[in-house]
Amino acid sequence: DIQMTQSPSSLSASGGDRVTITCQASQDISNSLNWFQQKPGKAPNLLIYDASNLETGVPSRFSGAGSGTHFTFTINSLQPEDIATYYCQQYFNVPPTFGGGTKVEI
Amino acid sequence: EVQLVESGGDLIQPGGSLRLSCVASGFIVSSNYMSWVRQAPGQGLEWVSVYYSEDSGGSTYYADSVKGRFTVSRDDSKNILYLQMNTLRVEDTAIYYCARGKPPFPYFFDWWGQGTLVTVSS
Repeated sequence: DIQMTQSPSSLSASGGDRVTITCQASQDISNSLNWFQQKPGKAPNLLIYDASNLETGVPSRFSGAGSGTHFTFTINSLQPEDIATYYCQQYFNVPPTFGGGTKVEI
Repeated sequence: EVQLVESGGDLIQPGGSLRLSCVASGFIVSSNYMSWVRQAPGQGLEWVSVYYSEDSGGSTYYADSVKGRFTVSRDDSKNILYLQMNTLRVEDTAIYYCARGKPPFPYFFDWWGQGTLVTVSS
């Protein structure tokens, strides 16, 4: 199985800050990586697909980058509604695997 | 509009059985890849099983942790995905989500249901 190592596991930032989360794959997954936002009591919501593409309707302050084994997810100008846990997920190989999550707090 | 609604979660004793349902609307289940993904309380996400689309052969696959105990199935006339869970263990306690795989990628999850809670405890 491909291991997805996500860091940090939690972070606290101020409104308007730039926040960056990293995700490391245990083997090359090309750009087969998605980023999800999960708010308490809710299902995950797709934000970024194919490592760097913004899903329709997602605010442009969210972005993703990377390929191969190293990926980053960035929130520019953190907003109160961005409080959530963020997960990376590879769909390159079976089984699909998720990072451990990053809880973002203000 | 695409919508997925899960049901069937309950409190069940270890060794028991339970069947979860996922009613889909806005798309045809049999034409898509459909997965179950679970999340233990306060934990991360774990893929459980997939039912491939008819065009891709209609095969089913399972995570090692549930292989031989869980079975995924469909009712195409009702557009429903099921997960039959047998010989349940305490560690199967989780919220179970159904998720659609965006073609042509089985595990590119673009739509999720709200989840249903399964608690395995004596």
